[in-house]
Amino acid sequence: QVQLVQSGAEVKKPGASVKVSCKASGYTFTTYYIHWVRLAPGRGLEWMGMINPSAGNTNYPQRFQGRVTMTRDTSTSTVYMELSSLRPEDAAVYFCARERDSTFYFDYWGQGTLVTVSS
Amino acid sequence: QSALTQPPSMSGSPGQSVTISCTGSSSDVGGYHRVSWYQQPPGTAPKLIIHEVSHRPSGVPDRFSGSKSGNTASLTISGLQADDEADYYCSSYTSSNTYVFGTGTKVTVL
Repeated sequence: QVQLVQSGAEVKKPGASVKVSCKASGYTFTTYYIHWVRLAPGRGLEWMGMINPSAGNTNYPQRFQGRVTMTRDTSTSTVYMELSSLRPEDAAVYFCARERDSTFYFDYWGQGTLVTVSS
Repeated sequence: QSALTQPPSMSGSPGQSVTISCTGSSSDVGGYHRVSWYQQPPGTAPKLIIHEVSHRPSGVPDRFSGSKSGNTASLTISGLQADDEADYYCSSYTSSNTYVFGTGTKVTVL
């Protein structure tokens, strides 16, 4: 069955970076885009960008450009999301989700990774 | 890109219907047939319940239905059940080749 399994919770200081992983199984890794979405306390879901695991190309919204980096390792079917220069408002649960090529919706989601930012 | 606008909360008794609105602009909801809806019970990951405005994935009850008119999409939950209590989010593809989510609606079953 399709699974997206994310790495465990992280606690980081302001200014540090965090790298969250998302390991895919149960389908052909390169045929689905992987997106990252976060849910901060008191705020709604926020789209952070996507990576095409086949070509490695990425697409980030302007508000995260320069701070987020998404990469993939096709040998382990794993996608990584790194967010740098962490601020307290980056504290959130981070989800990965997959999208079949150009279908524009997310059909499976990871379980989420809690990132705490505190000095 | 501003978040799509949803009512913060809605409620209904078991068996009743609730309709959640999701208002954007011609650059997102109104410009594309690419609106999806997600159900998120507390402490869990979002689950896809509607894609492409009105299509239900396999396994989603037909009590959930979607529609769109102009810049506003809607999700209707008919025959409300206790396990429908959750946060609901809409999402749309945008003209900037990005995605935007709604502000979220908490549905309470009385």
